[in-house]
Amino acid sequence: GAGVSQSPSNKVTEKGKDVELRCDPISGHTALYWYRQRLGQGLEFLIYFQGNSAPDKSGLPSDRFSAERTGESVSTLTIQRTQQEDSAVYLCASSLFAGELFFGEGSRLTVL
Amino acid sequence: GENVEQHPSTLSVQEGDSAVIKCTYSDSASNYFPWYKQELGKRPQLIIDIRSNVGEKKDQRIAVTLNKTAKHFSLHITETQPEDSAVYFCAAGDTGRRALTFGSGTRLQVQP
Repeated sequence: GAGVSQSPSNKVTEKGKDVELRCDPISGHTALYWYRQRLGQGLEFLIYFQGNSAPDKSGLPSDRFSAERTGESVSTLTIQRTQQEDSAVYLCASSLFAGELFFGEGSRLTVL
Repeated sequence: GENVEQHPSTLSVQEGDSAVIKCTYSDSASNYFPWYKQELGKRPQLIIDIRSNVGEKKDQRIAVTLNKTAKHFSLHITETQPEDSAVYFCAAGDTGRRALTFGSGTRLQVQP
């Protein structure tokens, strides 16, 4: 596709449920990033994939969060046993090696 | 890891005035310093970036300066217009090796 695609654009879930957020990066981009943005706040780093290297998971806030990436394509961010503090916009970005980050529109997660 | 501080958190200027946003970073290994603009409800988009081998870069009304010794960089917007109103994020990182760390953002309001 022409840009980074994320789905779903909006997700409302009940506390304790699991959610999966999907990111389709720009074709050919070796790097993929997940960031979290709470309302009115900055961009909080979650996880970074670069080619075939081991992902940098240092930003994941708890073991309820995990992410996978298939080769240099789709990534899925999974949040288990969601809590109200997980409510945020989850932004995915991709880039060529050492290049500009292109962001998706984000997935807005609301945990009731 | 990298820590990026951004000031001010909010900035209000009159149309036609200049606006300056400042960031400091902690990791001397960082070599890439982009600035992103995020309009309300939209994705962050790159407006200008600078790499550590350059001290200043300009693109029309926007300029960025970098002082590697002091570990700070700044965004300058001249002749501000109402459409410049947005949240601006600075970021720093060692591209290709780890994800960018973002500042907390500056909400710029340009009064017509």
